[in-house]
Amino acid sequence: DGGITQSPKYLFRKEGQNVTLSCEQNLNHDAMYWYRQDPGQGLRLIYYSQIVNDFQKGDIAEGYSVSREKKESFPLTVTSAQKNPTAFYLCASSIPPNGFSDYGYTFGSGTRLTVV
Amino acid sequence: GENVEQHPSTLSVQEGDSAVIKCTYSDSASNYFPWYKQELGKRPQLIIDIRSNVGEKKDQRIAVTLNKTAKHFSLHITETQPEDSAVYFCAASPSGGYQKVTFGTGTKLQVIP
Repeated sequence: DGGITQSPKYLFRKEGQNVTLSCEQNLNHDAMYWYRQDPGQGLRLIYYSQIVNDFQKGDIAEGYSVSREKKESFPLTVTSAQKNPTAFYLCASSIPPNGFSDYGYTFGSGTRLTVV
Repeated sequence: GENVEQHPSTLSVQEGDSAVIKCTYSDSASNYFPWYKQELGKRPQLIIDIRSNVGEKKDQRIAVTLNKTAKHFSLHITETQPEDSAVYFCAASPSGGYQKVTFGTGTKLQVIP
């Protein structure tokens, strides 16, 4: 069953801690993305990666870090520098287009992070 | 960069009525416009998309229209059903070697039985 898996589903972080959110896909997609979802603000891009060992900052990268050591995996670390990390985090992947993609994004089921 | 505005933020309709969600975008280079549906507690899923060389696209009860001159596009749902209740996101993306998608802020649609 092909898809994109995020874990954990719920995550609690103490003040000052770094936490890492997992994202794994078996769709053979080259491109992967991390979005943050807050009520009333839609989906905002944190980081994206087009190929292995390469990634770019999105619109709200401050306080986050990523790695892309394998095509299948794109973990997101929420560092202590992120002052308001409580949110719903969505990972996505896509076939990189040569012009257009016929498939859009495939999203994971998300991780809800709460600071306690 | 691209800016996508979406209206309304909430929409309530009676079952069987139509629902329309409107989006505008700012970057004239955008030419791919997907729509995603996110049911409560679930992941967003692509429901329909349209490209700039097409003015309208239909898929059963849903349709999307695009006006490139005015830089706006709309989602139309006819004969709404309770299972249409969800948050809908529009998005815009330029063509090229990378599909960076900018999302609207979402519309929460409630279909009242």
